[in-house]
Amino acid sequence: QKEVEQDPGPLSVPEGAIVSLNCTYSNSAFQYFMWYRQYSRKGPELLMYTYSSGNKEDGRFTAQVDKSSKYISLFIRDSQPSDSATYLCAMSAYYGYALNFGKGTSLLVTP
Amino acid sequence: GAVVSQHPSRVICKSGTSVKIECRSLDFQATTMFWYRQFPKQSLMLMATSNEGSKATYEQGVEKDKFLINHASLTLSTLTVTSAHPEDSSFYICSAPHQNTEAFFGQGTRLTVV
Repeated sequence: QKEVEQDPGPLSVPEGAIVSLNCTYSNSAFQYFMWYRQYSRKGPELLMYTYSSGNKEDGRFTAQVDKSSKYISLFIRDSQPSDSATYLCAMSAYYGYALNFGKGTSLLVTP
Repeated sequence: GAVVSQHPSRVICKSGTSVKIECRSLDFQATTMFWYRQFPKQSLMLMATSNEGSKATYEQGVEKDKFLINHASLTLSTLTVTSAHPEDSSFYICSAPHQNTEAFFGQGTRLTVV
């Protein structure tokens, strides 16, 4: 079993929809959780960072972490065509350690 | 935010030659940098951890003699793919942790070995 599981999609939604992206993980030691956006053939761009459990909001993006269920989510409100990209969840147990990535979910927002 | 610069963004080389990829932290010092590899439609897989002033540590299955890593200063790490073969063709990405474990990534290098 991989440490981080993420549905690769693709996920297609109409413009303006609320998008829900999720990851599950098996290592209970993970405490640092991140979401990255990656456009084709580019490096990942950090979107959200959360330490331990809880919610974090930044503009149209909300990240949720439920450590008891080993489940993290990213919500995108009022989705735009420019949000079309691959979204990667990533996590680690300790500060400064390498990240464990999900496979990434491919999102397409249609006008 | 912090910036990590990776160069070149794309390189094509002949089989048997070597290719060097540079990763620089532009506005912060990084005692550690990470090198990942990403195959099409796959996730990022950690190859090695680059440590300033000491030897890199490699993940299981990654040949250290093939993928040479040098972390000569607090702002520069290099990955050299030696005697490259077509199966080494991939997307190579570096990252550096910065403040509260946020990791910033370079732009990536697409290597094609022909």
